[in-house]
Amino acid sequence: GDSVTQMEGPVTLSEEAFLTINCTYTATGYPSLFWYVQYPGEGLQLLLKATKADDKGSNKGFEATYRKETTSFHLEKGSVQVSDSAVYFCALSVINAGGTSYGKLTFGQGTILTVHP
Amino acid sequence: DADVTQTPRNRITKTGKRIMLECSQTKGHDRMYWYRQDPGLGLRLIYYSFDVKDINKGEISDGYSVSRQAQAKFSLSLESAIPNQTALYFCATSDSTRRGRGEYEQYFGPGTRLTVT
Repeated sequence: GDSVTQMEGPVTLSEEAFLTINCTYTATGYPSLFWYVQYPGEGLQLLLKATKADDKGSNKGFEATYRKETTSFHLEKGSVQVSDSAVYFCALSVINAGGTSYGKLTFGQGTILTVHP
Repeated sequence: DADVTQTPRNRITKTGKRIMLECSQTKGHDRMYWYRQDPGLGLRLIYYSFDVKDINKGEISDGYSVSRQAQAKFSLSLESAIPNQTALYFCATSDSTRRGRGEYEQYFGPGTRLTVT
């Protein structure tokens, strides 16, 4: 089946530090990959996505590159801020041979990020 | 106004009680989903609906039922609540007609925190 594995958390950083959150996946079909962010007390928001190999998704200073050869989609940010403190989820959605999404997201377990001033 | 709303936002109930969680959306999306979030487990899919007459079980549907009353409304019921159903529940939507332009993205409500005592 489909699965997503994220690096163990929690992650604690000082402001302006470099962030990497690792994500690897297994998929039964051709996946699209996502990072979602959940701020305290809120629902999940799409942070960035990549729908084909070698695509780079980016948003709000975060980046992730879809690496088919290593089945990875690691999240990076060069300089984190206190406001980036949240839970980050890697997820995939499998596209079938006909190019149609089954519409289901498979999530990793989430990584808690805390950024201190 | 929020595009995806959930009611109630918080609920405490007793073991054996029936409870319904409601989700409404104004995005005009055809697909709707119910997830539960548990610490360290990410989000797991309970049920999903591709349209009013197409409802499917997710990976953890036991103990739950759903109703798609209209395209915009998708309710989750716990017929006889038990303590291990204590969790954060999220509703999400997606638009299958946006093929190639983001059909795979899901949009989440703010969540319902359910406690079963």
